Amino acid sequence: DTEVTQTPKHLVMGMTNKKSLKCEQHMGHRAMYWYKQKAKKPPELMFVYSYEKLSINESVPSRFSPECPNSSLLNLHLHALQPEDSALYLCASSPRQGNTEAFFGQGTRLTVV
Amino acid sequence: LAKTTQPISMDSYEGQEVNITCSHNNIATNDYITWYQQFPSQGPRFIIQGYKTKVTNEVASLFIPADRKSSTLSLPRVSLSDTAVYYCLVGDLKTAAGNKLTFGGGTRVLVKP
Repeated sequence: DTEVTQTPKHLVMGMTNKKSLKCEQHMGHRAMYWYKQKAKKPPELMFVYSYEKLSINESVPSRFSPECPNSSLLNLHLHALQPEDSALYLCASSPRQGNTEAFFGQGTRLTVV
Repeated sequence: LAKTTQPISMDSYEGQEVNITCSHNNIATNDYITWYQQFPSQGPRFIIQGYKTKVTNEVASLFIPADRKSSTLSLPRVSLSDTAVYYCLVGDLKTAAGNKLTFGGGTRVLVKP
């Protein structure tokens, strides 16, 4: 299994809603990543987890809250988002942090209304 | 982290070879060069990785000159389905903290019939 699975594929939420994005991999990878990608822009790193511990937070606003319950799962909790947070949110995993052969999920297309 | 510079876009025709050059003048001794491909509304996909000279796999070749200040991704005999954005990344695979899997601007390749 060389897949990274993200759910849901599409999400529309209001600015007062609380929602969560989920990411799962069963490749035994110990590094997992969240990216945000706006149209026609490169993916922008948000968070990195290494061995289930938050390793990198790229100064992301607190309305985005990551969680890594175990080595296979990565969540991104969303609360009080703004319309400008609408984007494609990508999850990735790699054998360990520092290994640049990463596997990406298909992403969650988020629209904040 | 070494900064990368790529052309913004390139056009080609089916059956031609496409060469995309990435500049990374500040590449460090332990840095590897990695290329990803991304189709619209999908996550990036790992293509190839190298340290020096030439690397070839079933998809592409990667040419790295002796000074390693640039690299060229070569896609042989492209088809319409190779239309995508191609990203060059540079990072130290041995230093977890130093490699944040950061994407640069990317090159938008359009393959025409």
